[in-house]
Amino acid sequence: GAGVSQTPSNKVTEKGKYVELRCDPISGHTALYWYRQSLGQGPEFLIYFQGTGAADDSGLPNDRFFAVRPEGSVSTLKIQRTERGDSAVYLCASSDGQLSTDTQYFGPGTRLTVL
Amino acid sequence: DQQVKQNSPSLSVQEGRISILNCDYTNSMFDYFLWYKKYPAEGPTFLISISSIKDKNEDGRFTVFLNKSAKHLSLHIVPSQPGDSAVYFCAASETNDYKLSFGAGTTVTVRA
Repeated sequence: GAGVSQTPSNKVTEKGKYVELRCDPISGHTALYWYRQSLGQGPEFLIYFQGTGAADDSGLPNDRFFAVRPEGSVSTLKIQRTERGDSAVYLCASSDGQLSTDTQYFGPGTRLTVL
Repeated sequence: DQQVKQNSPSLSVQEGRISILNCDYTNSMFDYFLWYKKYPAEGPTFLISISSIKDKNEDGRFTVFLNKSAKHLSLHIVPSQPGDSAVYFCAASETNDYKLSFGAGTTVTVRA
């Protein structure tokens, strides 16, 4: 079956611009996660959705970052007024449960470069 | 603050030999531990996990060992194969939580 897909695979933008990153989870997975992986680091948790609602957005670095999942499937991570420090790989994962023991399946990520 | 640490950024091993990857954690609330493997241009894929009620879990060529008192775990790959060349991430969580805390990763290169 299809895995988690993310689009675009690469995004180059200029400082101050707005970007949207899309995630298509595995069909039927109710839990969806966004992580950010900066150069030389492991993935860092950003936000978790259970269904349509953001159950935990404690990892979002500031109010420039926002994510939605309006129909409980596809999710969009939105970044306003991008800064050079936002450059990273943004990873999306989904699982069919809400515990860490439920395997999280990751997409290939979107590499964001802010010039 | 980094709650999960992988202090070796890289490891080179000959094909057929054992690869040992190490991971330390600081949060005593962590009781579930995972290893993920990542190839270039792909997302991390789950490899093996261990609950804190165990000290060892084995799956084929992969074995994870957990030393709770030392807050240390390791992944053994025996024998190492060229297809094992990848970045390996250690991750940890509390069982009833969903958030994973990752280490920075160890790049393994298996030489033919």
